[in-house]
Amino acid sequence: NAGVTQTPKFQVLKTGQSMTLQCAQDMNHNSMYWYRQDPGMGLRLIYYSASEGTTDKGEVPNGYNVSRLNKREFSLRLESAAPSQTSVYFCASSDLPFLGGDYGYTFGSGTRLTVV
Amino acid sequence: AQTVTQSQPEMSVQEAETVTLSCTYDTSENNYYLFWYKQPPSRQMILVIRQEAYKQQNATENRFSVNFQKAAKSFSLKISDSQLGDTAMYFCAFMKRAGNMLTFGGGTRLMVKP
Repeated sequence: NAGVTQTPKFQVLKTGQSMTLQCAQDMNHNSMYWYRQDPGMGLRLIYYSASEGTTDKGEVPNGYNVSRLNKREFSLRLESAAPSQTSVYFCASSDLPFLGGDYGYTFGSGTRLTVV
Repeated sequence: AQTVTQSQPEMSVQEAETVTLSCTYDTSENNYYLFWYKQPPSRQMILVIRQEAYKQQNATENRFSVNFQKAAKSFSLKISDSQLGDTAMYFCAFMKRAGNMLTFGGGTRLMVKP
């Protein structure tokens, strides 16, 4: 099925460890995003990529790096994990920005990350 | 910068009844979009309904409708004939007209009781 695939679905890290969250979409979308979800705060944008080869910071970029490997793949890296990065991470893609037509996001199913 | 506020962290409703979830937002933009997303326990984000700010008519999707008050910057979601499957977190979200980033509210957890 077409959509956004995130791996892994669950991960436990120790403080100071590093890891990369993988995301791939097969919808031929130009834009891809990484959000984190925390209780009471909704989803907040970490980084986004409006097109292949470009990335920009969102609302909460500190402690993260991203790579837009190609049009399909957008990875999120935690270089030195901290307990404050315990969260649920969502990757998404869209065909935005647009001047009309369908403008929905497609979200992945999320990664629950715990940093101990 | 835009902000989205959902003032009801939790709500409950009896099956078959009607419930309204509140959302207010703050922006200096004139052209934008507003969305309601549903997140069931599976964590999947599901688009429920969307509204274009330039349209005065309120959007409707089956049992879901919105009350969009642009001057008041209010965007509430009404769920009619509530079903057990409506139990979920609901997020209100904002997007600028020519943008591509969503700004979310903190969410409302809705419980539909049998």
